Amino acid sequence: QVQLVQSGAEVKKPGASVKVSCKASGYTFTSYDINWVRQATGQGLEWMGWMNSNNGNTGYAQKFQGRVTMTRDTSISTAYMELSSLRSEDTAVYYCARSEQLVRDFDYWGQGTLVTVSS
Amino acid sequence: QSVLTQPPSASGTPGQRVTFSCSGSSSNIGSNTVNWYQQLPGTAPKLLIYFNNQRPSGVPDRFSGSKSGTSASLAISGLQSEDEADYSCAAWDDSLKGWVFGGGTKLTVL
Repeated sequence: QVQLVQSGAEVKKPGASVKVSCKASGYTFTSYDINWVRQATGQGLEWMGWMNSNNGNTGYAQKFQGRVTMTRDTSISTAYMELSSLRSEDTAVYYCARSEQLVRDFDYWGQGTLVTVSS
Repeated sequence: QSVLTQPPSASGTPGQRVTFSCSGSSSNIGSNTVNWYQQLPGTAPKLLIYFNNQRPSGVPDRFSGSKSGTSASLAISGLQSEDEADYSCAAWDDSLKGWVFGGGTKLTVL
């Protein structure tokens, strides 16, 4: 069965960076894109960007341009999202989600990774 | 502030039919299909409806979606207690070149 398993919770200080992983199983990793979506407590979902798992091409939401980097390691079917220059407003649950292509629905989601930014 | 507009809350009693609205603009809902996600308390979102009105395998036919112009709707018939969750709409935005979501509607089953 398709599974996306994310890394554990993180606590970071303002100004630091965080790197969240998303390990895929149950399907051919390079046949689907990976999106990253975050959700602050009590808030709606917010799309951060997308990565083509086959060729590594990426597209980022304007809000995160310059601060986010999405990469992958196809040998271990794992996608990564790194967010830098963290501030308190970045405290949220971060999800990876699979899509057939950029403008398609997110049919499977990871369990989420809580990132807390606090001094 | 979310790009797509959803009412923050809705409620219904078991067996009832409830509907959720999602309002957007010509650059998102008006020109692209809408997806709906269900998020049970403390869990990750789950795809509920795609391409405006298609249900993934395993989603009961009590759930249905529709779209008209720059708005979309999700309906749940035969409401059950396990339907208590947050429901979010999403669409690709051609101007922003990214996905946009609604703020979500929290459904309470009385």
